[in-house]
Amino acid sequence: NAGVTQTPKFQVLKTGQSMTLQCAQDMNHEYMSWYRQDPGMGLRLIHYSVGAGITDQGEVPNGYNVSRSTTEDFPLRLLSAAPSQTSVYFCASTPPGGGGQPQHFGDGTRLSIL
Amino acid sequence: AQKITQTQPGMFVQEKEAVTLDCTYDTSDPSYGLFWYKQPSSGEMIFLIYQGSYDQQNATEGRYSLNFQKARKSANLVISASQLGDSAMYFCAMREGGDGQNFVFGPGTRLSVLP
Repeated sequence: NAGVTQTPKFQVLKTGQSMTLQCAQDMNHEYMSWYRQDPGMGLRLIHYSVGAGITDQGEVPNGYNVSRSTTEDFPLRLLSAAPSQTSVYFCASTPPGGGGQPQHFGDGTRLSIL
Repeated sequence: AQKITQTQPGMFVQEKEAVTLDCTYDTSDPSYGLFWYKQPSSGEMIFLIYQGSYDQQNATEGRYSLNFQKARKSANLVISASQLGDSAMYFCAMREGGDGQNFVFGPGTRLSVLP
């Protein structure tokens, strides 16, 4: 059982370039989220999805797009990379039902924008 | 306003001693859940323990326990018998609502266990 898989693990971009961070989960979880982690700030929610075809903005959505065409995949697109988007990005999935269901995280993507 | 506050940026503890990592939260929702995650230097996020707002007893998971004081809105993590492998970042997080998807994380506490 692979859990949540993020690719790539590392990426260096130039300012203005675009790219897509991939996230896939094989646990049939309805909920998926993208976070960015910056020093001293914990994890901040970028976008999330409660099911295929449904997405919504989190705390820091500007500069990012998402789509959810299948339950398994939730890609994050950087439209025009900026140095402020240098960060570690985590994808997470959660089964529905609330309560004590924790989020399952991928291993993260370390992104540097030059 | 910060929904999750972790006031200890860094903590040191001697191996085999117990340590408490502080977490206070802010919510007006009567239904919420509190989570603690560990992030070792390798970077992955590891779920440790959960406490629901309606739970009557403090949660425990092995060497981890949660000191839940609802009236004070605090959910401190207690690690007993610290081990060198406990050195990591620790994040407190809150999920509001019965089935909400919004998890809010605190800034984290870096714990260093000394031999």
